[in-house]
Amino acid sequence: AQKVTQAQTEISVVEKEDVTLDCVYETRDTTYYLFWYKQPPSGELVFLIRRNSFDEQNEISGRYSWNFQKSTSSFNFTITASQVVDSAVYFCALDTGRRALTFGSGTRLQVQP
Amino acid sequence: GAVVSQHPSRVICKSGTSVKIECRSLDFQATTMFWYRQFPKQSLMLMATSNEGSKATYEQGVEKDKFLINHASLTLSTLTVTSAHPEDSSFYICSARQGGTQPQHFGDGTRLSIL
Repeated sequence: AQKVTQAQTEISVVEKEDVTLDCVYETRDTTYYLFWYKQPPSGELVFLIRRNSFDEQNEISGRYSWNFQKSTSSFNFTITASQVVDSAVYFCALDTGRRALTFGSGTRLQVQP
Repeated sequence: GAVVSQHPSRVICKSGTSVKIECRSLDFQATTMFWYRQFPKQSLMLMATSNEGSKATYEQGVEKDKFLINHASLTLSTLTVTSAHPEDSSFYICSARQGGTQPQHFGDGTRLSIL
């Protein structure tokens, strides 16, 4: 069975603070992909990153960074110097290639000015 | 990059109406398309998996007679909500996969409101 857990339901920070969104996953597959998506109030899913299970290198893209730790089955997402435009719901998802994505419950991030 | 077009983006209609939502892969052939539903402040839940030329596979608890899925070509899947009622109001989003381990690409979603 596959499962994605985002334990943080809602996070509120003040602009310019750093914030980390946690994601823990479960799967018996050895080959899988992990994703992060951003869902702004308008509803569409904005793709942020796709990470292969064999690639544990951390990744940085501008103010975004991702920490993949296979040993703890975690794929955490950090936003550095958060901005109001970062306010959204963020979903972590797991893809084993055999069926649809398994989504976490999402973390609502509110960045206050 | 790969693009999936979903139409319409928003529908408001009366109870009892049937509503059709289209999902098109614009620059690739999608062997598999997925339909998700998202209620307010909840996550995306898979409704059904649609493979071109065959019957859709529905998740437990999803009524196949109410949510008709047709995947007649490699670039188009449709979801028809038949005799929609207020409890069917939700955000419906499709995704398409070219095949194998190719990533899924999402449409922008359809916000359905039944009065």
